[in-house]
Amino acid sequence: QVQLVETGGGLVKPGGSLRLSCAASGFSFSDYFVTWIRQAPGKGLEWVSYIGPAGNTIYYADSVKGRFTISWDNANNSLYLQMNRLSGEDSAMYYCARAPGSSWASRWYFDLWGRGTLVTVSS
Amino acid sequence: EIEMTQSPATLSVSPGESATLSCRASEEISMNVAWYQQKPGQAPRLLIHGASTRANGVPARFRGSGAGTEFTLTVSSLQSEDFAVYYCQQYKDWPLLTFGGGTKVEIK
Repeated sequence: QVQLVETGGGLVKPGGSLRLSCAASGFSFSDYFVTWIRQAPGKGLEWVSYIGPAGNTIYYADSVKGRFTISWDNANNSLYLQMNRLSGEDSAMYYCARAPGSSWASRWYFDLWGRGTLVTVSS
Repeated sequence: EIEMTQSPATLSVSPGESATLSCRASEEISMNVAWYQQKPGQAPRLLIHGASTRANGVPARFRGSGAGTEFTLTVSSLQSEDFAVYYCQQYKDWPLLTFGGGTKVEIK
């Protein structure tokens, strides 16, 4: 079954760190463009970070640049988001999602999403 | 950053009627728009890409249209499972992907 499962969320104090994981089944991350998108409680969607299949195409939203690091592990077929210097504004449900194809147009929208993992930053 | 503005924020519709949702981009984005549906407690689901192409398995009652700065998602003959929040997303300005604020379609 093709699916994504996020883990690693939880309660963390401001200034703390957290590492999110996204495990893929039914396909290999090394073949797809994938992304992290977050949603604060009751709010809309915000793109966070993006990585290409070779791992050499990486982008971050300005709001997380310098604090968050995206990576993937081919051996475990997992995607990660290392989040440092967290603040209350980072509190959100974090989704990993996969783009359907490798053509330019099909890299930038997402047809497979995980159920998300909740990050709460609070003292 | 390209801003995506959705209207209305909430749309009250009776089952069986049609719903028309709007999304406006702050600058020209050709047809580089996707639409998603999100139900409470669930992840978003891709409905439309390229402004008008339905994703796999999406019923024909979902129709996307528009180009440039004005886009529309029309849901015909609303079914109970269609009541949800809908988001548009632009990808013209990659990698700075941006989403609209969402339109909630609720039962009238």
